[in-house]
Amino acid sequence: DVKVTQSSRYLVKRTGEKVFLECVQDMDHENMFWYRQDPGLGLRLIYFSYDVKMKEKGDIPEGYSVSREKKERFSLILESASTNQTSMYLCASSGNGLIQPQHFGDGTRLSIL
Amino acid sequence: AQSVAQPEDQVNVAEGNPLTVKCTYSVSGNPYLFWYVQYPNRGLQFLLKYITGDNLVKGSYGFEAEFNKSQTSFHLKKPSALVSDSALYFCAVSRSYNTDKLIFGTGTRLQVFP
Repeated sequence: DVKVTQSSRYLVKRTGEKVFLECVQDMDHENMFWYRQDPGLGLRLIYFSYDVKMKEKGDIPEGYSVSREKKERFSLILESASTNQTSMYLCASSGNGLIQPQHFGDGTRLSIL
Repeated sequence: AQSVAQPEDQVNVAEGNPLTVKCTYSVSGNPYLFWYVQYPNRGLQFLLKYITGDNLVKGSYGFEAEFNKSQTSFHLKKPSALVSDSALYFCAVSRSYNTDKLIFGTGTRLQVFP
């Protein structure tokens, strides 16, 4: 079974801090994704990576950056956290071949005070 | 632009009754459609997908979905609901034929009452 692990389930940070969210997958998947989930808005794509060191902006990249130095690890960085970035963050991965299902981690609930 | 809509925020059904969770889509070209389920405090789990072929797609946990091209719908169904099916359900559509990036609906909360 594919396992996608997010380093923290709950995280509390202060406004202005630099925040790192880590995600690791164990299935050698090429594609990795970061989403944020907010009530009534569903999942919105922040960033997507299709290979090591490769990334694409998603629908809401402002205020975020990502890093993918190794195939199994995809990090989301909040450069200067703000209260409107309080949310549930979900990481996902998918394998080679077209239209593969995405496999999700259990999420990190981030609160910015 | 591709989009997907889930018109119901919540669906309530009695255990043992059939359930339907609705999804409509708008795409240019052939749609690639997915259903995911999210249990409390967990990430999303893949249920089923439609790429091509038979309009009735069978998935995990006894769920199935019916693709209807004329009505641009992809409704999720189950003949007999269980209390354990209570969860948040998301419909999603692929952004194009050559990418795994998805557009998700806003989600429908399914509540199954004993």
